[in-house]
Order: sequence, then C-alpha cells, then structure tokens
Amino acid sequence: AQKVTQAQTEISVVEKEDVTLDCVYETRDTTYYLFWYKQPPSGELVFLIRRNSFDEQNEISGRYSWNFQKSTSSFNFTITASQVVDSAVYFCAPKTPYAGKSTFGDGTTLTVKP
Amino acid sequence: DTGVSQDPRHKITKRGQNVTFRCDPISEHNRLYWYRQTLGQGPEFLTYFQNEAQLEKSRLLSDRFSAERPKGSFSTLEIQRTEQGDSAMYLCASSLGTPGTDTQYFGPGTRLTVL
Repeated sequence: AQKVTQAQTEISVVEKEDVTLDCVYETRDTTYYLFWYKQPPSGELVFLIRRNSFDEQNEISGRYSWNFQKSTSSFNFTITASQVVDSAVYFCAPKTPYAGKSTFGDGTTLTVKP
Repeated sequence: DTGVSQDPRHKITKRGQNVTFRCDPISEHNRLYWYRQTLGQGPEFLTYFQNEAQLEKSRLLSDRFSAERPKGSFSTLEIQRTEQGDSAMYLCASSLGTPGTDTQYFGPGTRLTVL
C-alpha cells in the first residue's frame, strides 16, 4: 500500500526566513511523480511544482526548490525568503504512472508573520 | 478565463434532499477528476473521467453518488438523499491526460453544507 506522510502539521516563520516542508511517500513503485499544491485561505488549490522520482538533480523554480532523497522517499520542499502571501496549507500529492488520481497528504499549514 | 470552473460555489441543503454540482474543465483537457475535502484534511479522490468514460471510482463513492461526463466536456456530480456527513468541499480538477506526468489543475470548489 502507498502512504503519504506530511509530518509537520503547522509551521510558523517570520517573513524573509527560509522554510522547508517535508513529505515522505512510501511505495514499492520505483517510478512516480510528486506534485506540490498550495491552498491559500481562499480555498483554491494551486499547482506549484512537480518532481519525477527518476530525476537526479534537485530543482529550483523561483523561490521554490526541493531536495529528493530516494533512499528514504523523502521530499523536502523549500521556500526561500518567505513572504506573508506564502501563508497557506501546502499539500504533497504523489502519483504513480499508471494511476489517474493523486493521493494527497494531510497538508502542512504555513504561517508567515510580518 | 480558461481555468476550471465549478457551479455553484456554495450549496446549503436539508438532509434528504438531492444536490447536483457542475464542473467545466480547461477546454483542451481530456481528464476530469472529482475530489472531496473536509476540514483539516487533504483532498480525497472520488472518481475520474477520460473523455466521457468513467475510469475509476473510489470506495468513498457510495451508491448515493453519481457522476457523469456525457459529451466529454463538462461533468456533473449528483448526491442523492444527502446526509450531514456529506458536508464538505467538492473539488473538480482537469488535466491533459499525458501518461505519468499529468498535472491536475483545480477549480475553486463547491462547498456543501447539509443541515
């Protein structure tokens, strides 16, 4: 069975700090895709970034970056120089190649204080 | 606006009534998904369509729930004989249908309250 764990329920930082969100995906599949979504207070899920399990390099997209440790199936998603507008719930949502659906974690609530 | 749209945004109903929600996907997207989200939880998968074919249904989708996508464009989700436990945000998403790396884009959701 596949399991998605976002161990951090809530994180609070001060503006301009870097913040890292964790996600662990337990699966027997060797190929999978992991998506990160942001859900601000308005409620709409916004796609942020996608990572493939077979990518060797860590990626950076603007203020977002992430680090993948294949041995532990652990994805660390980092927001650099956080801003108040980054306050939201962040979900990781892995998907296997043959599955249509994504399986969402329970989310991490990030609060960025001015 | 070419994003995913959902209607209505809010629905309040009495227990036992039937409700229907509509989702219009991004125009060139072949796949359409329905999820349900309750407070403090991540979205839970309900069902998805490839064009007009319903390819997968979750065990969460009891016989009171039915979804259709008759012409492969918009979709409807109907809940019959609503119960208080059906109160949730119902989310629709669409994607191109690219094998594997398919990215789902979500609509604003329909918040259902069953009194």
